[in-house]
Amino acid sequence: EDQVTQSPEALRLQEGESSSLNCSYTVSGLRGLFWYRQDPGKGPEFLFTLYSAGEEKEKERLKATLTKKESFLHITAPKPEDSATYLCAVLSEGGATNKLIFGTGTLLAVQP
Amino acid sequence: ETGVTQSPTHLIKTRGQQVTLRCSSQSGHNTVSWYQQALGQGPQFIFQYYREEENGRGNFPPRFSGLQFPNYSSELNVNALELDDSALYLCASSTRLAGVDEQFFGPGTRLTVL
Repeated sequence: EDQVTQSPEALRLQEGESSSLNCSYTVSGLRGLFWYRQDPGKGPEFLFTLYSAGEEKEKERLKATLTKKESFLHITAPKPEDSATYLCAVLSEGGATNKLIFGTGTLLAVQP
Repeated sequence: ETGVTQSPTHLIKTRGQQVTLRCSSQSGHNTVSWYQQALGQGPQFIFQYYREEENGRGNFPPRFSGLQFPNYSSELNVNALELDDSALYLCASSTRLAGVDEQFFGPGTRLTVL
């Protein structure tokens, strides 16, 4: 069964304190791995898609990387506005349905 | 480019009632997926619509049903509401172009069942 596990569940950082969020996945065949940001009460906002091991994507203070078993979201010198829940999801190969399987997310709080 | 929109924003219903949620897909997208997100959890796939037909379903009972219209907008209907149906309901739109797998979410509808 396809599964996504994110850690830690919650992370508190000081402004400027860099860190990484982890997303471990088990999938029969990975078609793509996605990172989303979700603010309280809002819909997830798309950040990155990664397709193959070794791939990296960057956007402002965020950088996503992918291996065959996990993905990391690195946050460099975070600011309070980076506070949100970060969700990881996978799309598996095979089947006609583009069904995203999500982890439970990491709640990030960045304090000034 | 118009993003994904959902209505209503919030909804309060009582157990046993029926509810209809609506979604307009992003411009250029022809596929709509619905997800349920309970508090503190990741979104769970309900079903997906493509060319006005259901194209895959998650582990949800038949009282969850949907429609897709020719303009690619969609409805989610839930009959015989239960307390556990209280959640944020998310609509995501996407396209079937090869190599384009991203799904873009709307703001969601918060459903409370009393």
